[in-house]
Amino acid sequence: DTEVTQTPKHLVMGMTNKKSLKCEQHMGHRAMYWYKQKAKKPPELMFVYSYEKLSINESVPSRFSPECPNSSLLNLHLHALQPEDSALYLCASSQDLTEVTFGAGSRLTVL
Amino acid sequence: RKEVEQDPGPFNVPEGATVAFNCTYSNSASQSFFWYRQDCRKEPKLLMSVYSSGNEDGRFTAQLNRASQYISLLIRDSKLSDSATYLCGSGGSNYKLTFGKGTLLTVNP
Repeated sequence: DTEVTQTPKHLVMGMTNKKSLKCEQHMGHRAMYWYKQKAKKPPELMFVYSYEKLSINESVPSRFSPECPNSSLLNLHLHALQPEDSALYLCASSQDLTEVTFGAGSRLTVL
Repeated sequence: RKEVEQDPGPFNVPEGATVAFNCTYSNSASQSFFWYRQDCRKEPKLLMSVYSSGNEDGRFTAQLNRASQYISLLIRDSKLSDSATYLCGSGGSNYKLTFGKGTLLTVNP
């Protein structure tokens, strides 16, 4: 079982909906990440939180809004998404850059 | 230029073959290097970290050449279960881990 837990595993939403993806890790890792992965493509970095502060935003559209309530939790709030935003959203965490551990992902479909 | 460039593949090899993957990275300040394995519709899983001294884990050997800015992965005596996409990654002090495009390996019986 992965040590990074993501919910929900699958999400279908309309373009006017507001939903959230959730991620939790209890490894004491200080950095948490959101990646987006389309089919047959590598994961693309979206956001990095370091010590609960947003340290990297890879020019992600504002319809994606990350939140880090505490050192174990990371959310991704979704609003007014487009069908092309349909993808696998991967959360990950690391203590430093010696190893990044991924969650199983949330598969998002935007209708 | 992309931060991490990877052999496009795909690679189709028979069982028992030796296969090598290579990646180059553009950021000379990169500090950490990895190989991940990703099975279809699953998350990437760390296969090996890559060190300047090289490291070996059973049939897998990873090498880092800082002067030429490339990393490699060698799989010996490939098994059917090695079939997957292999992703190389590099990271810096800012926790940013960037992946290559990935190479699909299919090991055939």
